Amino acid sequence: EVQLVETGGGLIQPGGSLRLSCAASGFTVNSNYMSWVRQAPGEGLEWVSVLYSDGFTYYADFVRGRFTISRDNFENTLYLQMNRLRAEDTAVYYCARGGPAAAPMDVWGKGTAVTVSS
Amino acid sequence: IQLTQSPSFLSATVGDRVSITCRASHDISSKLVWYQQKPGKAPNLLIYGASTLQSGVPSRFSGSGSGTEFTLTISSLQPDDSATYYCHQLKSYPITFGRGTRLEIK
Repeated sequence: EVQLVETGGGLIQPGGSLRLSCAASGFTVNSNYMSWVRQAPGEGLEWVSVLYSDGFTYYADFVRGRFTISRDNFENTLYLQMNRLRAEDTAVYYCARGGPAAAPMDVWGKGTAVTVSS
Repeated sequence: IQLTQSPSFLSATVGDRVSITCRASHDISSKLVWYQQKPGKAPNLLIYGASTLQSGVPSRFSGSGSGTEFTLTISSLQPDDSATYYCHQLKSYPITFGRGTRLEIK
């Protein structure tokens, strides 16, 4: 079964760091575009980052320099390292297979909630 | 590229034909996707390439348009269609979403 499962969310103080994980099954992360999308409470969807199969990455302006997307091919897992967290980063973070026009996001995890608060 | 969805809220009756519009601030060709999201759930891909129905999605859903104006149509509304619908452009980075249309079934 094709599936994504995110873990690693929680409550973190402003300025802190957190690493989200997204374990894939039924397909290989390194052969696909993989993205992170977030949704603040009561708000819409907001694209965060994408990782291409060739290793190329793109970030939304509001996370560039603070967040890093990566993968572990052996573990078949996607990661999002989040540093210097701000209150406005509070959201449910979803990982998804796909990203660019050639591969729209067709498989999504259930999401992991991140709350940045003192 | 900014995406403007209208309306932001829609209330309709089972069996109605409903349409949601998404306007892009720049030409995005046909690089538009539609998602359905129910409360507490991840988005579900409905339409990609502006008009191609994702496998497993009921045929009452359809998409049209190109360039800067796009439409998602539900031909005969069902109770299970109560959700928020988002358009999403993949033409250029940063890839963006519309603000969503909440569809209520009367």
